[in-house]
Amino acid sequence: GDSVTQMEGPVTLSEEAFLTINCTYTATGYPSLFWYVQYPGEGLQLLLKATKADDKGSNKGFEATYRKETTSFHLEKGSVQVSDSAVYFCALGNTGGFKTIFGAGTRLFVKA
Amino acid sequence: KAGVTQTPRYLIKTRGQQVTLSCSPISGHRSVSWYQQTPGQGLQFLFEYFSETQRNKGNFPGRFSGRQFSNSRSEMNVSTLELGDSALYLCASRIAPGTENTEAFFGQGTRLTVV
Repeated sequence: GDSVTQMEGPVTLSEEAFLTINCTYTATGYPSLFWYVQYPGEGLQLLLKATKADDKGSNKGFEATYRKETTSFHLEKGSVQVSDSAVYFCALGNTGGFKTIFGAGTRLFVKA
Repeated sequence: KAGVTQTPRYLIKTRGQQVTLSCSPISGHRSVSWYQQTPGQGLQFLFEYFSETQRNKGNFPGRFSGRQFSNSRSEMNVSTLELGDSALYLCASRIAPGTENTEAFFGQGTRLTVV
């Protein structure tokens, strides 16, 4: 079945450091890929998405490119801020699958 | 427009009791999914409802059940609570099933503590 694997956390970075959170997936067909973010005490909210191969999703300085050849959707940000401290979830959605598959989540701590 | 609303936000129950959680989806959204989030297991799919019918179910015991009303509001029920049921329960809504390639909108969750 469909699955998502993302790097384990926590990830601790200093402010202005470069961020990469790895995500790989297994899926049939042509799923959409998502990154969701969860701030403390909140539900998940969509950070960015890509709906087909080679698409690049971007938002708030975060980017991720849908790589079909490597089945990956790694999240990157050039310069993190303390306010980026949160849990990040990679996810895939496959029409006909009737549910979104989430990775385990990666907690990011950014120190001032 | 209003987002997904979950009530209550916090709940403390005793082992053996039952609990009912409520979710009101975004207006016009007809698909509601429930997830359990725990530190050890991450985000796990419970079930999805559409048109008052359960369309998909995760791997949870029968103590976990749900329903959806004609106005798309959904409730989930957990009977005979166990300590391990302590978790954040999240509800997500979509316009309709078959749109899993689009964004799901999440509520803030209900934090259930079983003592």
